[in-house]
Amino acid sequence: GAVVSQHPSWVICKSGTSVKIECRSLDFQATTMFWYRQFPKQSLMLMATSNEGSKATYEQGVEKDKFLINHASLTLSTLTVTSAHPEDSSFYICSADPMGRSGELFFGEGSRLTVL
Amino acid sequence: AQRVTQPEKLLSVFKGAPVELKCNYSYSGSPELFWYVQYSRQRLQLLLRHISRESIKGFTADLNKGETSFHLKKPFAQEEDSAMYYCALSAYGSGNTGKLIFGQGTTLQVKP
Repeated sequence: GAVVSQHPSWVICKSGTSVKIECRSLDFQATTMFWYRQFPKQSLMLMATSNEGSKATYEQGVEKDKFLINHASLTLSTLTVTSAHPEDSSFYICSADPMGRSGELFFGEGSRLTVL
Repeated sequence: AQRVTQPEKLLSVFKGAPVELKCNYSYSGSPELFWYVQYSRQRLQLLLRHISRESIKGFTADLNKGETSFHLKKPFAQEEDSAMYYCALSAYGSGNTGKLIFGQGTTLQVKP
């Protein structure tokens, strides 16, 4: 099956610094990737849709200047949490739909961010 | 508005008992519904989708448009079914590009 890989799997940073998380599709091309945020024992909240070669589409309530998304190639999307604060600590998960518009998403393993 | 509701946070059953994980949705268009599962320390993965109408690992789910429900069922639960289950709605249309909206999730605990 299709594989989506995230890096790093966990990161600890100081408050005020920026952190970049990478999401790669290893064996397929993804014009669209999705970034989710998951709080402990809670659901996945869609943050934004990452579109290759164009601006990301953010969900209501998600600060686009806080969570910068870049989808520069068909196999890589990055999420940068800028000026991170403790409340940004969370589990960030990316996903992609290899078949395009099929609704069957393949998920990365997730990246746990802890902001001190 | 697009919404998926899973009313139960935790469902605990004994091995061999029937299981039904409830899911209700709200969507103005023609819905595509999915069930995703997350086993302990594993990534989220697709369990089944309504358009395929197939049974996976003994689980089935029927889309009921009248009741706007997509409940997940299994007649005899097994311990290895213990996991977090998410119901999801695929939203298409202008600007939606096939994004998935997830319910809150239900933890299924199957006791021996």
